[in-house]
Amino acid sequence: QKEVEQNSGPLSVPEGAIASLNCTYSDRGSQSFFWYRQYSGKSPELIMSIYSNGDKEDGRFTAQLNKASQYVSLLIRDSQPSDSATYLCAATSNSGYALNFGKGTSLLVTP
Amino acid sequence: NAGVTQTPKFQVLKTGQSMTLQCAQDMNHNSMYWYRQDPGMGLRLIYYSASEGTTDKGEVPNGYNVSRLNKREFSLRLESAAPSQTSVYFCATNRGLAGTGELFFGEGSRLTVL
Repeated sequence: QKEVEQNSGPLSVPEGAIASLNCTYSDRGSQSFFWYRQYSGKSPELIMSIYSNGDKEDGRFTAQLNKASQYVSLLIRDSQPSDSATYLCAATSNSGYALNFGKGTSLLVTP
Repeated sequence: NAGVTQTPKFQVLKTGQSMTLQCAQDMNHNSMYWYRQDPGMGLRLIYYSASEGTTDKGEVPNGYNVSRLNKREFSLRLESAAPSQTSVYFCATNRGLAGTGELFFGEGSRLTVL
């Protein structure tokens, strides 16, 4: 079973701080990686995708990928209470026809 | 433009009853998926359809069947519901090659099996 691992949290950060979310994956054949945000009772929505080693920035979000270490991270700068949600890490499977999701990390941003 | 529409949104079944979850998309996407989400288990793939006319098993297909009726519609059937199938079910679509790019999710169907 190819796995994507995340700490379940909750990760609690004060408003304005940097939140750091981490993810590891076991399938060396995975090529593409995604971060989804899921508010309580809602469906997941894509916030970042990353395909090559290094950093990718989009507004307050930065995704980092290290394929050698099989490690993906998401940094959220200037965290806001509205960022409080569960963040799901996902990686493409070797078959290319499915995404493997981690169990999610719960983030709580306190005012 | 509704995106991905799932029906019903809520359903309570008794053990052994059958039901079908419906999913329809108006995004002209080729690939469609059914996931289930349980507390502490994350999203797990039940079945997917890479294109009209094809379906394949995912990680947890036992107890389920699917039909890709046409490009727009992908249904999930529980023939004899069990309490272990109590979950939130999400239908999702993908515009390009299956498994790559962004997944667009429906609002979810919350199923309770007593």
